[in-house]
Amino acid sequence: EIVLTQSPATLSLSPGERAALSCRASQSVRSYLAWYQQKPGQAPRLLIYDASNRATGIPARFSGSGSGTDFTLTISSLEPEDFAVYYCQQRYSWPLTFGGGTKVEIK
Amino acid sequence: EVQLVESGGGLVQPGGSLRLSCAASGMTFSNYWMSWVRQAPGKGLDWVANINLDGTEENYVDTVKGRYTISRDNAKNSLYLQMNSLRAEDTALYYCARYPRFAGANNAFDIWGQGTMVTVSS
Repeated sequence: EIVLTQSPATLSLSPGERAALSCRASQSVRSYLAWYQQKPGQAPRLLIYDASNRATGIPARFSGSGSGTDFTLTISSLEPEDFAVYYCQQRYSWPLTFGGGTKVEIK
Repeated sequence: EVQLVESGGGLVQPGGSLRLSCAASGMTFSNYWMSWVRQAPGKGLDWVANINLDGTEENYVDTVKGRYTISRDNAKNSLYLQMNSLRAEDTALYYCARYPRFAGANNAFDIWGQGTMVTVSS
């Protein structure tokens, strides 16, 4: 099973700041990594697929990068609605696995 | 609008069974792999199972193999999860999710339902 480790667990930032979230895989997942956003009481929402492709309707301030074992989700300038929990997920091999999440909170 | 609506959750005793359903609308259901993903209270996301277009291929996380069965009825635009021998650790919000798995698709969980809660407790 591929383990995804997300860091930091919590990121405290102010609106307008840049956020960089890390996801590290226990073995290479090539570029088969997705990112999701989840707000309290809501279902997750797909942000990024295949490491760097924005899903339909996702604002350009969200970007993904990386390949192999190290990946980053960047939010260029935080909007109030971006404070949420973010998960990475790999599809390289079964079982599909998620990281433990990074909470982006208002400082 | 593409929509997934889960139902069938509830309170069940350890060792009991439950069948979850997911009704899809606004999409050609038979064109998509489908999945169940769960989230224990206050915890992260865990993939549970996937099923292919015609139901001939199923994949499960090890912790539910032999206890859970995923199935679909394309004529009814519905996905199911039969859960047997339930344990306390199966307590979670169960999401139905669309999983486009073909060339040119996002190959990720791109549409999610709102979830149905399963509580396993005596």
